[in-house]
Amino acid sequence: GAGVSQSPSNKVTEKGKDVELRCDPISGHTALYWYRQSLGQGLEFLIYFQGNSAPDKSGLPSDRFSAERTGGSVSTLTIQRTQQEDSAVYLCASSFGLSGNTIYFGEGSWLTVV
Amino acid sequence: AQSVTQLGSHVSVSEGALVLLRCNYSSSVPPYLFWYVQYPNQGLQLLLKYTSAATLVKGINGFEAEFKKSETSFHLTKPSAHMSDAAEYFCAVSDGGGSNYKLTFGKGTLLTVNP
Repeated sequence: GAGVSQSPSNKVTEKGKDVELRCDPISGHTALYWYRQSLGQGLEFLIYFQGNSAPDKSGLPSDRFSAERTGGSVSTLTIQRTQQEDSAVYLCASSFGLSGNTIYFGEGSWLTVV
Repeated sequence: AQSVTQLGSHVSVSEGALVLLRCNYSSSVPPYLFWYVQYPNQGLQLLLKYTSAATLVKGINGFEAEFKKSETSFHLTKPSAHMSDAAEYFCAVSDGGGSNYKLTFGKGTLLTVNP
């Protein structure tokens, strides 16, 4: 499709397990962003990529969270040893890269840690 | 550092009435400002954006917003609410002059439209 694609759309995992969330940005978009949306915290920035490098990863909440992007395209957000407070919707977005360009969001990956 | 404050976590209007959703921002550099809408169980959709051109910005679905530097505001309005406008609305700011393109969001305003 033409939009930002995320998988899985829903994931239920047991506390302590690792999870991987995938994002396929709009073709040609050089910038890619991960956000987290939770009831208590609203929309929080996690990390952003320009190409394959991450100039700003200041929003990653702990060292259990990591992300990578390969080939300037697909990105994977990994959460190790999941905790219940990690339950949230993880939103991926992409843009053409320049400041002010529209940032397009995917529909999110709903993560529930039980 | 940038921040966004959305006044009113929940706004309720009657169908056909004026919609006014308030957003104030704080930014140390000239900002770019955005309004996004989120329908239930969906991602965020851009309604409109201000990027230092005209201060009155028109967006999709009949919404518009006015950038007022003196008031550090970017309120969203629509003259006549429709039932389909019921959703959550997010105001966001980014660094208009810098190299960091991330958005800082407000907490959101849930709009309810009553028949």
